[in-house]
Amino acid sequence: EDQVTQSPEALRLQEGESSSLNCSYTVSGLRGLFWYRQDPGKGPEFLFTLYSAGEEKEKERLKATLTKKESFLHITAPKPEDSATYLCAVQANYGGSQGNLIFGKGTKLSVKP
Amino acid sequence: KAGVTQTPRYLIKTRGQQVTLSCSPISGHRSVSWYQQTPGQGLQFLFEYFSETQRNKGNFPGRFSGRQFSNSRSEMNVSTLELGDSALYLCASSFGTVAGNTIYFGEGSWLTVV
Repeated sequence: EDQVTQSPEALRLQEGESSSLNCSYTVSGLRGLFWYRQDPGKGPEFLFTLYSAGEEKEKERLKATLTKKESFLHITAPKPEDSATYLCAVQANYGGSQGNLIFGKGTKLSVKP
Repeated sequence: KAGVTQTPRYLIKTRGQQVTLSCSPISGHRSVSWYQQTPGQGLQFLFEYFSETQRNKGNFPGRFSGRQFSNSRSEMNVSTLELGDSALYLCASSFGTVAGNTIYFGEGSWLTVV
């Protein structure tokens, strides 16, 4: 069964304190692994898509990496505005269809000034 | 460029009623998917439409249905509402159905069933 597990569930950081969020997955035929950011009361905001093991992508203070079994979202010198829930999702190969995204439960990040 | 637009943003319904939610995808996007988000279950896939055809369906009862129009706009309908249907319903769009297409979400429609 396709599955995504994110850890930790919640993370509290001081401003400037770097850390990493983990996303472990099992899927038959990975088409892509997605990272989204979700603020309270809003829809998920797209951050990255990774397609193959070894791939890395960066955006401002965020860097996403991918292995065959997990992905990490590294946050360097976070600021209070980085506080949000970070969602990881995998897209499996269902042939002929976009395939649904299978989401983890998310990591709620709080960055204190 | 306008994002994914969902209407209404908030609504309250009574058990047993039915509800229709609307989604306008990003201009040029032909694939639309719907997701339900609850605190307990997180985001769960409902269904996906491409060129007016349902391509994929999640594990939800038949009370949940959807459709897509020729202009790619989509609606989802929930009949005989139950308290457990209270959730944030999210619409997502992408250009096509192949890998490599970024999937963008709207702000969602908050449904409360009383």
